[in-house]
Amino acid sequence: GAVVSQHPSRVICKSGTSVKIECRSLDFQATTMFWYRQFPKKSLMLMATSNEGSKATYEQGVEKDKFLINHASLTLSTLTVTSAHPEDSSFYICSARETSGRSYNEQFFGPGTRLTVL
Amino acid sequence: QKEVEQNSGPLSVPEGAIASLNCTYSDRGSQSFFWYRQYSGKSPELIMFIYSNGDKEDGRFTAQLNKASQYVSLLIRDSQPSDSATYLCAVMDSSYKLIFGSGTRLLVRP
Repeated sequence: GAVVSQHPSRVICKSGTSVKIECRSLDFQATTMFWYRQFPKKSLMLMATSNEGSKATYEQGVEKDKFLINHASLTLSTLTVTSAHPEDSSFYICSARETSGRSYNEQFFGPGTRLTVL
Repeated sequence: QKEVEQNSGPLSVPEGAIASLNCTYSDRGSQSFFWYRQYSGKSPELIMFIYSNGDKEDGRFTAQLNKASQYVSLLIRDSQPSDSATYLCAVMDSSYKLIFGSGTRLLVRP
């Protein structure tokens, strides 16, 4: 149980285009999902916290108009990188927090999406 | 600024040895502590979590927590080449956000 999927796993796009990444909790409901970015040989940096039915909370330095987050259901959150540029190339990872009580403190991570902007 | 510090390594140990990974954190109010393993190009996978002072054992892994010293460690007994990876220490804050350290790269020599 507690599986999180991401789609796509890998995407290459041209500079200036927008890319949508989906994060799904497959067998549990997640009122809270988190989006992280990881550059090569660096650690995970939290970008934003996504709450179902409300606006996402962005970390300092993350542009909310560039990284659009939508959490429309208890099992799906999306991250859209708008007008992508080469410096946005990174590994984007989502995690979901189960709120049913079984593992309330644990975040389950998706497999990640490798974004390359040409 | 809440911080989690780890030695970047690499920590190199021979197969069968004990690998000791350390982590310190700045937020004295932190209550939940996690160790993740990350292979290159993959997302993190949870190894262990610990909430209480002392030791917690799970198979070959032992997590140790000392809240007074704001120190968390992970011991890997009988290290295997397949344990070679980057180990991330993470601390959860009061809003359930995980703050990650920069990770320690472990190399287990056959």
